[in-house]
Amino acid sequence: EDQVTQSPEALRLQEGESSSLNCSYTVSGLRGLFWYRQDPGKGPEFLFTLYSAGEEKEKERLKATLTKKESFLHITAPKPEDSATYLCAVALYNFNKFYFGSGTKLNVKP
Amino acid sequence: SQTIHQWPATLVQPVGSPLSLECTVEGTSNPNLYWYRQAAGRGLQLLFYSVGIGQISSEVPQNLSASRPQDRQFILSSKKLLLSDSGFYLCAWTRGAGSTDTQYFGPGTRLTVL
Repeated sequence: EDQVTQSPEALRLQEGESSSLNCSYTVSGLRGLFWYRQDPGKGPEFLFTLYSAGEEKEKERLKATLTKKESFLHITAPKPEDSATYLCAVALYNFNKFYFGSGTKLNVKP
Repeated sequence: SQTIHQWPATLVQPVGSPLSLECTVEGTSNPNLYWYRQAAGRGLQLLFYSVGIGQISSEVPQNLSASRPQDRQFILSSKKLLLSDSGFYLCAWTRGAGSTDTQYFGPGTRLTVL
C-alpha cells in the first residue's frame, strides 16, 4: 500500500539550532514530492516541488532534498517565525491524487 | 495570478443539519479541484477530487457529497451532519491533467458540529 511517513511528529529547537525533517515514501511511479508549511488555522502554503532523486531546492533557511525513498527538509539557523507544521505530499503518475504525510510540528524557541 | 477562495471561514452547526461549503478558483481554467479534511493535529484526508464539470471522484464513503456545477466552482455538501464531520476543510487546485504542477490550497473552513 502506498504510504507517506513524516518524522519526527514534533521537533523543538532553539533559535539557531539547525536540524532536518524527514519524509519517507513507499509509492510506485513518483511524479513529484511537495513540501508545504501550515500555520495554525490556515491552509498549507507551498514551499518546494522535487521531481527526481538528487534534486535540491532552497529558499531562505530551508533546503529540500530528494532520494529514491525519502526527502529531507533541512532548516539552517531557524528563527521563531519558522515555527509551523511542515507537510510533505507525493503525487503519482497516472493519478490525479496527492498523498500527504501527517506532518512535523516545529517549534523554534528564542 | 490565481486565487482560491473558500467560504464560510468558520461554521458551527447542530448534528443532523445540512452543510454547504463553497470553493472558487480565479485566474485559471479547467483546473483539477480537491476537497480535503484535516482533523486536529492530523494530516490531510482526501475526500473528493474533480477533473472537470460534473466529474467527481469520491475517496472516502461517508455522508458527504461534492458537486462541480461550474468550471471553477467546487461544493461540498451533506444532508445530515454527524459529530465526526467536525474538522478543518480545505479546497485545493492544480492545473489540468497531464501537468506536473503543484497543488495550491485555499484558506480553509473550520466546521464544528455540536
